[in-house]
Amino acid sequence: NAGVTQTPKFQVLKTGQSMTLQCAQDMNHEYMSWYRQDPGMGLRLIHYSVGAGITDQGEVPNGYNVSRSTTEDFPLRLLSAAPSQTSVYFCASSSAGGGNTIYFGEGSWLTVV
Amino acid sequence: GQQVMQIPQYQHVQEGEDFTTYCNSSTTLSNIQWYKQRPGGHPVFLIQLVKSGEVKKQKRLTFQFGEAKKNSSLHITATQTTDVGTYFCAANFNKFYFGSGTKLNVKP
Repeated sequence: NAGVTQTPKFQVLKTGQSMTLQCAQDMNHEYMSWYRQDPGMGLRLIHYSVGAGITDQGEVPNGYNVSRSTTEDFPLRLLSAAPSQTSVYFCASSSAGGGNTIYFGEGSWLTVV
Repeated sequence: GQQVMQIPQYQHVQEGEDFTTYCNSSTTLSNIQWYKQRPGGHPVFLIQLVKSGEVKKQKRLTFQFGEAKKNSSLHITATQTTDVGTYFCAANFNKFYFGSGTKLNVKP
């Protein structure tokens, strides 16, 4: 069972570089989201999608773009990396509806120098 | 900002002691979920509470949903070193928001 797959697991970027974090799920979930986790800040929602072709902003969307061209994939793009974007990023998915289990990927550790 | 407030931020206990974390919202929740994240790992679903006043148990873990559906708690009886991790509550406000988490450290 693959579940939610994130790549890469670790990445070091220089300030100003761009990159894409990949996320794929094989559970046919409608709802996908990206969170970042910083020490003492919990999980903060960056962007989310309720289905293919539909995306919306979360709590901390600035500096990130997303797209949802298929049900399976939900990539997160850092447009011009900044040190403040050093964090652990989690992709998550769940089936439609407010009370369904959220499944998380294993995380991507990003350092911006 | 955070839609759900979680306290305490940290808790250090001796093995065998009890532990409780609390989650509070200013608005009524349709449901609340609890997750556990082991050090270096990703959050994993523990349970969902839906009904007012609901109490659910999983071995040494007891979950409660307040009568007004604005607060919830997770209580662990007789902690073990395997309980170490961060516990998060999550609430759905058209999109899922997580509490800031309570980091539990258990000293053997």
